[in-house]
Amino acid sequence: GAVVSQHPSWVICKSGTSVKIECRSLDFQATTMFWYRQFPKQSLMLMATSNEGSKATYEQGVEKDKFLINHASLTLSTLTVTSAHPEDSSFYICSANYGYTFGSGTRLTVV
Amino acid sequence: TQLLEQSPQFLSIQEGENLTVYCNSSSVFSSLQWYRQEPGEGPVLLVTVVTGGEVKKLKRLTFQFGDARKDSSLHITAAQPGDTGLYLCAGEDDYKLSFGAGTTVTVRA
Repeated sequence: GAVVSQHPSWVICKSGTSVKIECRSLDFQATTMFWYRQFPKQSLMLMATSNEGSKATYEQGVEKDKFLINHASLTLSTLTVTSAHPEDSSFYICSANYGYTFGSGTRLTVV
Repeated sequence: TQLLEQSPQFLSIQEGENLTVYCNSSSVFSSLQWYRQEPGEGPVLLVTVVTGGEVKKLKRLTFQFGDARKDSSLHITAAQPGDTGLYLCAGEDDYKLSFGAGTTVTVRA
């Protein structure tokens, strides 16, 4: 079955720094990937749709300059949280437009 | 905005009991899915329902999709501690998912 690999699984960073999260499709090509954010004891909220070779589409209320998305190849999408603040601490999860498969998530803690 | 409401929010039962989780939508999606998520992991797809009135069974889990394709339910028979987790329903349009708030299920041994 389709496998989506997400890295890192957890990261701790200082306020003001940037963090990059990778999402890879291991055995298929993903023209579209999705990035979600999940706060503790809450559901997943779609942040943006990542399209290979073009600009990402962001959901209302998500700052595109803060959450930079790059989808440079058919197997890799990256989410960079720029100038991170403690309120950005969350569980970030990606998925691909194939098989409804999700990555294992990245726990980001900003201190 | 398409909205999915799940109920109950929390459910704690004894091993061997049955439980039902409900998911209601304000509109119709292309498909509706149920996921189970464990702490620190991504959600795992349990089932996809597409046709109104559809019933799908996965071992002790039974999924129903309403005739109007706006509501769905997940029923677990003889729950086991391994069924503990966060159950999420999601409506899908072109692979883009809108999730319900989730139901946290705890099955006590």
